[in-house]
Amino acid sequence: NAGVTQTPKFQVLKTGQSMTLQCAQDMNHNSMYWYRQDPGMGLRLIYYSASEGTTDKGEVPNGYNVSRLNKREFSLRLESAAPSQTSVYFCATSEVEWDEQYFGPGTRLTVT
Amino acid sequence: QKEVEQDPGPLSVPEGAIVSLNCTYSNSAFQYFMWYRQYSRKGPELLMYTYSSGNKEDGRFTAQVDKSSKYISLFIRDSQPSDSATYLCAMKTNAGKSTFGDGTTLTVKP
Repeated sequence: NAGVTQTPKFQVLKTGQSMTLQCAQDMNHNSMYWYRQDPGMGLRLIYYSASEGTTDKGEVPNGYNVSRLNKREFSLRLESAAPSQTSVYFCATSEVEWDEQYFGPGTRLTVT
Repeated sequence: QKEVEQDPGPLSVPEGAIVSLNCTYSNSAFQYFMWYRQYSRKGPELLMYTYSSGNKEDGRFTAQVDKSSKYISLFIRDSQPSDSATYLCAMKTNAGKSTFGDGTTLTVKP
């Protein structure tokens, strides 16, 4: 079992470009989350999906959109990237909403 | 003021030392307490999960919760270089979102 996978692992964008970060899980978990992690600021929740078909904003949703494509997949889209979105992005899943979370390996994004 | 405050570190100890990592919180509704370990360039992984006040032990790791003082700790006995990582505390209410601390980076020197 792969657990939680994220693609791509690394990405460099120019300001204004768009991209989609992909997350997939084979754990049959109901809930999925997107976080960003910046030095000294811990993990900040961007969006989450409590179950298939639902999405909700987290602490820092501006500049992002999400799609819960099916139970396995949860994507994060940056429509017009900004340097402030340079960060490490983690996808996580949990069997029950807000229970123990399992994290993917992360995507390192640099916006120049 | 943040709901969860974690000792910022970084922390550097010699191999074999006892390590204490600490978090305080302000929301008395937090009922569930977790410690995650994050190795460099990896995602966090759950280390300990506790509900009630008191101690929970797992090998060299002990999680301590003091709800009256709104204080949680993670103790690592006989620390090893392989324990070098960032440790994140997290907590949640019965029905609410998980809130993470900012993390403490630990280095155990051989």
